[in-house]
Amino acid sequence: DAKTTQPTSMDCAEGRAANLPCNHSTISGNEYVYWYRQIHSQGPQYIIHGLKNNETNEMASLIITEDRKSSTLILPHATLRDTAVYYCIVRLFPGTASKLTFGTGTRLQVTL
Amino acid sequence: GAGVSQSPSNKVTEKGKDVELRCDPISGHTALYWYRQSLGQGLEFLIYFQGNSAPDKSGLPSDRFSAERTGGSVSTLTIQRTQQEDSAVYLCASSPWEENGYTFGSGTRLTVV
Repeated sequence: DAKTTQPTSMDCAEGRAANLPCNHSTISGNEYVYWYRQIHSQGPQYIIHGLKNNETNEMASLIITEDRKSSTLILPHATLRDTAVYYCIVRLFPGTASKLTFGTGTRLQVTL
Repeated sequence: GAGVSQSPSNKVTEKGKDVELRCDPISGHTALYWYRQSLGQGLEFLIYFQGNSAPDKSGLPSDRFSAERTGGSVSTLTIQRTQQEDSAVYLCASSPWEENGYTFGSGTRLTVV
């Protein structure tokens, strides 16, 4: 699986959009971008994934650049409960249920 | 149940003892994974099972670690002769074959004293 690079930490004011970047310059054509988050003392939680088109669900939006070398996870209206470590992962899909390799992620701190 | 269930939630054991950690995946999920997370560290892949295929054991740190999955459902992770460095949160996750994302359990916090 391709490696990813994320900032170690970010701050965001409550109610504002949180934009979390991820670089994956060695991504291959059949690899997807996944985002998970881990709130303190809990197991990781799936957020969203995409291949090349932008994706949106009830939790977040995922913007992938045209060359697919980077992406941004957007939490449109961050709340205190969004404080967590966010992991950007690339892996093969579908039909290739394989291990996720977690990096160190971005620690997002949402403040009042 | 609705989610991945792990038991026990906490386990304290003496160095040198064997422990068994249990994972009940979501019904119908064909893939099951074990990870561990040491204090303040990231997630470390241990092993995964996919249907009837041979498990990927590439992440097991030593031969003291083993896991099985019975009947394609419940999985048990066994650690023999536990050491203090085995202290961590052990996380289990499952997913369907055509998966959107893993669902993780709440983990078992193992403390070796």
